[in-house]
Amino acid sequence: NAGVTQTPKFQVLKTGQSMTLQCAQDMNHNSMYWYRQDPGMGLRLIYYSASEGTTDKGEVPNGYNVSRLNKREFSLRLESAAPSQTSVYFCASTPAGTRGNTIYFGEGSWLTVV
Amino acid sequence: AQKVTQAQTEISVVEKEDVTLDCVYETRDTTYYLFWYKQPPSGELVFLIRRNSFDEQNEISGRYSWNFQKSTSSFNFTITASQVVDSAVYFCALRGSARQLTFGSGTQLTVLP
Repeated sequence: NAGVTQTPKFQVLKTGQSMTLQCAQDMNHNSMYWYRQDPGMGLRLIYYSASEGTTDKGEVPNGYNVSRLNKREFSLRLESAAPSQTSVYFCASTPAGTRGNTIYFGEGSWLTVV
Repeated sequence: AQKVTQAQTEISVVEKEDVTLDCVYETRDTTYYLFWYKQPPSGELVFLIRRNSFDEQNEISGRYSWNFQKSTSSFNFTITASQVVDSAVYFCALRGSARQLTFGSGTQLTVLP
């Protein structure tokens, strides 16, 4: 039961380095999301993809880019990492259809930028 | 815009006590869904419950119960006879006409033995 799989789970970057967080889901879901979690702020949406071939900005998109490679995969790229991007990142997915569909989350990726 | 407020940042109780986690939301949508997620110390997000805006029936699942009141825009979560394993961060979330889930800031629940 893989569900939503994120890699890597932990990463330390130096300021200015780039990296890509990978996300894949095996549930044939149409919509995928990237959230970041910071202490005291809950989860905030970075980008989402309603369906293959589309992406949209969320609440906090600055400093990030995304690619919906195919229906299964949705990657998040930090082009030039900054200490403010130190956070826990969650990928999520949900089927198309009603807004009541459960959103399933990956296990999170802990990113530290020094 | 939609907003979810969890005013209780941290709650600490002794095992077997009942505890209620508050959630207040704002939305202009008439159709929306409310969710609760649990985040244990291991970090993953665990789905607990979903409730749509047309269903104000309270729900009970074992030691968990939820009280949805549209009149006060609240969707509160009660744990009866709390256990140490209930210690976690609990998030309330809202999904309306926007495709994404909007989260509250979370409530850290600590259940002491």
